[in-house]
Parts: sequence; C-alpha cells; structure tokens
Amino acid sequence: QVQLQESGPGLVKPSEILSLTCSVSGGSMSNYHWSWIRQPPGKGLEWIGYIYSSGGTNYNPSLKSRVTTSVDTSKNQFSLKLSSVTAADTAVYYCARGKLLWSSGYYYYYMDVWGKGTTVTVSS
Amino acid sequence: QSVLTQPPSVSAAPGQKVTISCSGSNSNIENNYVSWYQQLPGTAPKLLIYENNKRPSGIPDRFSGSKSGTSATLGITGLQTGDEADYYCGTWDSSLSAGVFGGGTKLTVL
Repeated sequence: QVQLQESGPGLVKPSEILSLTCSVSGGSMSNYHWSWIRQPPGKGLEWIGYIYSSGGTNYNPSLKSRVTTSVDTSKNQFSLKLSSVTAADTAVYYCARGKLLWSSGYYYYYMDVWGKGTTVTVSS
Repeated sequence: QSVLTQPPSVSAAPGQKVTISCSGSNSNIENNYVSWYQQLPGTAPKLLIYENNKRPSGIPDRFSGSKSGTSATLGITGLQTGDEADYYCGTWDSSLSAGVFGGGTKLTVL
C-alpha cells in the first residue's frame, strides 16, 4: 500500500525558508494531487496547497505569496518551501495524497493517504 | 477562524450514537462533496468518509456521512472508547479555489 514520509529540518530560524520533502513509496505518483497540510500546536488542520503529478499547483490564498512546491516523479518525491517564516508557522506538517475531481458541477476533494507528520519549530 | 464550522466538543456513553455537524456555505459544502477525517491522539488524520457518504475500505459501517444544503453530518453508532479522537470535516471551496477544513470536534466517550 502507498506510504508517505515527511523529512526536513525540525528547527528553522525566523525569516528563513522552511523546506520539507515527502517521499512516496508503494505506488505511482501519477494522477494525484500531492498535498500539504499543517497543524499548529493544539489547533486544527490548515490546508497549505497541492501540486499535481504533472506540476500544476494550487495554494491557500493566505499563504500563497510564501509557498512553493515541486514534484519529482522519477524520485517519487514532492517538496514544500515556505519563505519568511515566523513563530506562527510552527506546526506539525503533513503530506498527503489528494484527489480533486470536477464532475457535473461539483468538486470532489479528499486526502486518502497521509504521512505521519513532522514537527517544525520556528525559533532563533 | 475556519471556513467550516464544527462544535468544539461532543460526548456520549459507550454503545450510544453521536452526530457531529459541519456548517458551511454555497461555495463549499452546498455545491461540493464533503470528507471526514479522524485524528486519534498523537497520530496523523485518517480518511473516514469521502464524497459525502462513502467509506474507504476498512472503515466500519458504524461511521456514516450525510449532507443537506450547507451542512454535513458525521454519525457514529455503537460508540467505543477507541473512537475518542478529533474529527474534521473538509471540502473544496469554489470561491477560494482552495481546500478547507472545519475547526475540529473532540469526541469524548464517557
């Protein structure tokens, strides 16, 4: 079965760039919306955005100016970069396999496989 | 402030039934499909319901989903202590062109 694993620094300094990679194993990356979600300590889930297997992207409007994603299907990996981080970006970051479809005027969007999450703390 | 609104907490006794509501608008719930996620303490979220009322393989039929207008509901019957978790609704928002979640509901099985 498909498994996802996040990796990257657990500590990032304010104003620097947060960089994470998600490694995909056990399945193809084709035709999915590879998503990033975060969860600040003690709070709920926040959708960051996705990158489609062919490279198209969509981001949370509140984070759009600071987010960049990339995908490398040959390595079965996709990545997240978040610039100009502050303490408010401290969170558990999850990668997930998403499906976004449009049919008969309705969108279907859900994430059916999740990584275990990685904690990122922004502090000097 | 989440785009979708859920009650912060619900509780019920073992064996009983509980429902968790998720309220949105015509740009999200009313005109798109809803999913639900279960997050057990200290773990990653897990897909529980997709396309309003479908269950992934392995999810027991004690869990059900429904939608009416701008609201969706997750139902859990035959409550077990192992169901204690945070539950999140999610969908696509056509106006924002973004995925959105509810604030989450903590279920306590008394």
